[in-house]
This record gives sequence, C-alpha cells and structure tokens, in this order.
Amino acid sequence: EIVLTQSPATLSLSPGERATLSCRASQTVTRFLAWYQHKPGQAPRLLIYDTSNRAAGIPARFSGSGSGTDFTLTISSLEPEDFAVYYCQQRGIWPHVTFGGGTKVEIK
Amino acid sequence: QVQLVQSGAEVKKPGASVKVSCEASGYTFNRYGFAWVRQAPGQGLEWMGWISAYSGYTNYAQKFQGRVTMTTDTSTSTAYMELRSLTSDDTALYYCARDSDPQWSGYLIYWGQGTLVTVSS
Repeated sequence: EIVLTQSPATLSLSPGERATLSCRASQTVTRFLAWYQHKPGQAPRLLIYDTSNRAAGIPARFSGSGSGTDFTLTISSLEPEDFAVYYCQQRGIWPHVTFGGGTKVEIK
Repeated sequence: QVQLVQSGAEVKKPGASVKVSCEASGYTFNRYGFAWVRQAPGQGLEWMGWISAYSGYTNYAQKFQGRVTMTTDTSTSTAYMELRSLTSDDTALYYCARDSDPQWSGYLIYWGQGTLVTVSS
C-alpha cells in the first residue's frame, strides 16, 4: 500500500498569506495525485487532480505541483473560507486509493 | 445537478452489521463508479473500496476484505455498503462518493452528505 505523509500537520496563517502544503508518497505515484478540502459538517471537495489540474469551479488561487513522490498544494492568498483540512490522495496503482493524514490550515 | 443522498444515522451493537445506502440522481447511474470513504472521530479520510455501477466489479481495501460488501441497484440508482462484525473502531462518518470519470479516475468529484454509524454496547 502506498502511504502518503502530509506536512505540516497544522499550518497557522493569516488571511492574505500564502499556504504551502506538502504530500510525500512512499513510492512513486507518477502524477496521479489529488487534493481535497474538507470543512466540518461538509463533504470533502475535490480541488486538484492529476497533480495540477483544478477541478471545475475551483478558484485559481489553488495550484498543485510535483511528480513522483513529492507534491505541493499552494494557496496563493488565503481567503477566510479556505481555512479547513486538506487531504492529498493517490490513485497510482489501480484501483487502490489512499489518503494522506491531512493538514489543518487554521487562522493565526 | 448530481446529488448523492445517503441513509440516516445508525446505532449498532458490537458484532452487528450495518448497511448504508446512497441514492444518486442527476446523471446516468451506471456510467460511473462509487467509492466509500470513512472518517473516524478526530481522524482523517480512509478509502474503503470501490464498485463499478456498470459491471458490479468491486475492489476493497485490504483492511476491510472479508468484512465489507459493496453493491449497486441500477433500478433505483442506489449504491450500498454493508460492513459486518462491527467494533467500536468502526464508529465513523461514512461517505459515498462518485468517480469523476466513467473509465475510473479514482478522483471523487461528488459526495454524499455522510452517514454516522455509531457502534456501542
């Protein structure tokens, strides 16, 4: 099973700041990595798929990069609604999928 | 618009089984597969497995092999997840989610609202 390790566990930032979230895979997933946003009381929301493609309706301030085993989600300028938990997810080996442990982005 | 509506909260005793439903609307049901994902209290998301709504093919996470069964009913556009031999560790919010691609992408674009399953004696 591919293990995804996210860091940091918590990121304390202010609105308007840049957020950089990391996801490292235990073995290569090539580019088959996604990012989800999860807020309390809501279902998770797909933000990015295949490393860098934004899902429909996702603002341009969200961007993804990386390849192989190291991936990054960047939020260029945090809006108040962006404070949430973010999960990376791999689908490198069909049809098994795993999620990372999550990074909480909280208001500083 | 695409909607996934899950069944209501359940309270079960240890050793029992639970069956959660997920009724889909707004698209052709058998074109896309479903995954089931759970979140235990204070924990992250955990992928449980996937089912093709077209063929019924399933693939379960190793952790749940032998204890979970995923099915679909195309006549009612409903997906089901049954989990047996429940323990307190199975207390969690269970989500169904639809794949983003008819050919399977593994990426989950639409989600149900979640079903809370509580296992307690």
